[in-house]
Amino acid sequence: EPEVTQTPSHQVTQMGQEVILRCVPISNHLYFYWYRQILGQKVEFLVSFYNNEISEKSEIFDDQFSVERPDGSNFTLKIRSTKLEDSAMYFCASSASGGGVAGYTFGSGTRLTVV
Amino acid sequence: AQSVTQPDIHITVSEGASLELRCNYSYGATPYLFWYVQSPGQGLQLLLKYFSGDTLVQGIKGFEAEFKRSQSSFNLRKPSVHWSDAAEYFCAVGPNTGFQKLVFGTGTRLLVSP
Repeated sequence: EPEVTQTPSHQVTQMGQEVILRCVPISNHLYFYWYRQILGQKVEFLVSFYNNEISEKSEIFDDQFSVERPDGSNFTLKIRSTKLEDSAMYFCASSASGGGVAGYTFGSGTRLTVV
Repeated sequence: AQSVTQPDIHITVSEGASLELRCNYSYGATPYLFWYVQSPGQGLQLLLKYFSGDTLVQGIKGFEAEFKRSQSSFNLRKPSVHWSDAAEYFCAVGPNTGFQKLVFGTGTRLLVSP
């Protein structure tokens, strides 16, 4: 069964450092998403991406965040200057048709710890 | 505003017993509804989804869920729980048009006792 692959599974970084979280979506999917889950809290939408541009972003997704699909296969989330409150599990997801009937496939997540 | 409520943070059931996990949603239009399961160290796996039609939907691993519009609920059920079902379960809601951003509940952690 096709999978969404996320690397690394766990990353520890110092406050103020830049981090890049990587995702390889399912190859024929066209819609890509990032969600995050702060420990003990709900999974929250960050951003959706389609046709090489952001289609929707949440209030969380401020100027410190950016997404990119640099080479047609990877989908990355960059946090420019990490804060303690960015510590969370970050999930990448992809969909063939914007969710709906096709649903989403989620990766196993990257646990980001900012110290 | 869209919201999903999962009132039970933890539930413990005995192996072989039946299970019901509650989910209530608030949504302005007819929603798409999903249940996901997350085992430790794993991603979010789709158990089942409801879009329209029959309000009782069957999913993987023997799970089912019933959509009740009048109660704004989408409860997940399983007649006989197995130890491998111990995991975190998330209910989610999304719109039926456009790019489907999911809104998740806070999750229910299921513990299975021998």
